[in-house]
Amino acid sequence: GENVEQHPSTLSVQEGDSAVIKCTYSDSASNYFPWYKQELGKGPQLIIDIRSNVGEKKDQRIAVTLNKTAKHFSLHITETQPEDSAVYFCAASMGFGNEKLTFGTGTRLTIIP
Amino acid sequence: NAGVTQTPKFQVLKTGQSMTLQCAQDMNHEYMSWYRQDPGMGLRLIHYSVGAGITDQGEVPNGYNVSRSTTEDFPLRLLSAAPSQTSVYFCASSYSIGARNTEAFFGQGTRLTVV
Repeated sequence: GENVEQHPSTLSVQEGDSAVIKCTYSDSASNYFPWYKQELGKGPQLIIDIRSNVGEKKDQRIAVTLNKTAKHFSLHITETQPEDSAVYFCAASMGFGNEKLTFGTGTRLTIIP
Repeated sequence: NAGVTQTPKFQVLKTGQSMTLQCAQDMNHEYMSWYRQDPGMGLRLIHYSVGAGITDQGEVPNGYNVSRSTTEDFPLRLLSAAPSQTSVYFCASSYSIGARNTEAFFGQGTRLTVV
């Protein structure tokens, strides 16, 4: 089955700086790659996603890049703010639905004021 | 819309007890899933369903049962609770538009402790 590795496990950045989180996946059949943000005591919430036919996607301060050849994708957060502090998860899935997401182990991002 | 609703939010069980974690969605989503979240391990898939009457096992199904009699509800049953089942449980739902999958929505989670 699919295996997703995520690095780093913890990341601290100064407010205003950029943060980058990287993931690799193993199954070339995966075609959908979402990123979730999880705040303390809450469920994961989608912040951005990318499909296998796209190399890059941006939404304001957040961007995701995908390299299908190398089987890796990355989350980029620019101009970080204190409210960006949370745990971030990457995931991968294949097929028509998202009933079988395979998650990375998470990155705890801390923004230092 | 309420989205994905999980009950209860917290539960303490004794070893050997059984219980059902409830999950309901009001978005008419066809796909529903249960995950458990343990420290340092991300979310792992327990069981999933692609529609009413259809369920299948995920990565860590042992000790859990599911059923999907309606589109809205997807309960997770612990048959005989064990301390290894202490975890936070999340239910998720999603749908597809033609051949394109869409965002998976998660509930707020159930924190289960087995003593």
